[in-house]
Order: sequence, then C-alpha cells, then structure tokens
Amino acid sequence: AQRVTQPEKLLSVFKGAPVELKCNYSYSGSPELFWYVQYSRQRLQLLLRHISRESIKGFTADLNKGETSFHLKKPFAQEEDSAMYYCALSRHSGYSTLTFGKGTMLLVSP
Amino acid sequence: KAGVTQTPRYLIKTRGQQVTLSCSPISGHRSVSWYQQTPGQGLQFLFEYFSETQRNKGNFPGRFSGRQFSNSRSEMNVSTLELGDSALYLCASSLGTGRYNEQFFGPGTRLTVL
Repeated sequence: AQRVTQPEKLLSVFKGAPVELKCNYSYSGSPELFWYVQYSRQRLQLLLRHISRESIKGFTADLNKGETSFHLKKPFAQEEDSAMYYCALSRHSGYSTLTFGKGTMLLVSP
Repeated sequence: KAGVTQTPRYLIKTRGQQVTLSCSPISGHRSVSWYQQTPGQGLQFLFEYFSETQRNKGNFPGRFSGRQFSNSRSEMNVSTLELGDSALYLCASSLGTGRYNEQFFGPGTRLTVL
C-alpha cells in the first residue's frame, strides 16, 4: 500500500528565511505527487503538482525517485505563506484518489 | 463560477443514529470524491464517484456508503454512528476522473457524534 510521510508537524521560520517542507512517499509504481495548502479559514486547495513542474507563489518541488521524496521549497518565506501544507500521492492514472500525509503547519514570523 | 458546496456545514448526532451529508460539485464537474479528516488519522479517502458509478472505495466499514445522482450531486451516508465517526468530511470535485484532473475541495461538514 502507498504511504505519504511528512515528518514535521510544525515548521517555524522567520520572514525571508528559506523554507523546506519534507515529504517522503512509499509506492512501488509511478506516482503523481501533489502539494495542497490550507490557509486559515479557507478550503484545501492545490498548490502544485509534480507533472506540471510549475513554480507557484515562489514554491517549487522536485520529485526524487531515488530518495522517494517530494520536498516543497521556497527561498524566501513570506508571512502570508503561513498555512497547513499537505503532500499527497495519486497512484492510479484512472482514479482521482489521493493519499495524503498528515500535514505540516508552516508559521512564518515577522 | 461557484465552488463546491457542502450541506450541512455542522451536524451533531448521537451514537446509533444515521446521517446523510450532501455535496454539490462545481458546475460541469462529473467526478466527486469524499474524504474524512480527523486529528489522529489525517485525511483519508472514502469514495470516488464518476457518472453515478462508484469508481473506488477506501478502507472504511460498510456503515459508510454513498451515491451520485445524474446531476453529479453526491451524498454520503453513515449508519449506526460511533463516537469515532466525529470528523470533518470533505468533498472534492473534478472535471473527470483520473489523477491529472485537479480536484477542488468544499468547505467540509463537521460531524460531531455524542
């Protein structure tokens, strides 16, 4: 069975500092990886996905199949980045089913 | 374009009762998925429906069931409620099925079982 692990429940940084939110997965096939974000009092929303290789709000994530990781990075954190971040995996091309990690709360202090 | 809507937003039930939650997807979206979110287990997949057919089911007991109507609206039902069913239930819709379709989440229904 597939699994997504986010080792940090909470990550606290100062504004302007680099951020790296860790995500490791276990799945023997070829997964599709996603990062979802939930800002305070807002809905869960897609931040970025592996296949599109985009940079959204300054965040990037690289899929490392050798280390089975999909860490989320941003060079300079902003206060508005404070939110809950979830890494998710989709294993089957025919289904929309997502397997989520337990999430990391990012707090960016001024 | 209106987002995914879920009703009711809050619900309080007692053990042994049953409950029905409703989800209206974004107009034009034909796929609806349901997730349970709890502090201990996080977000866990319940079901996925596409064109009124259940495409996939998570590892939940048979007390959890769902359906999708011809207008793509979906309902999920939980019978014989247990304390552990207290959770936030999220619905997500997408244009089609398959992992390349972006899922849009609703605000959730907060179920409390006393």
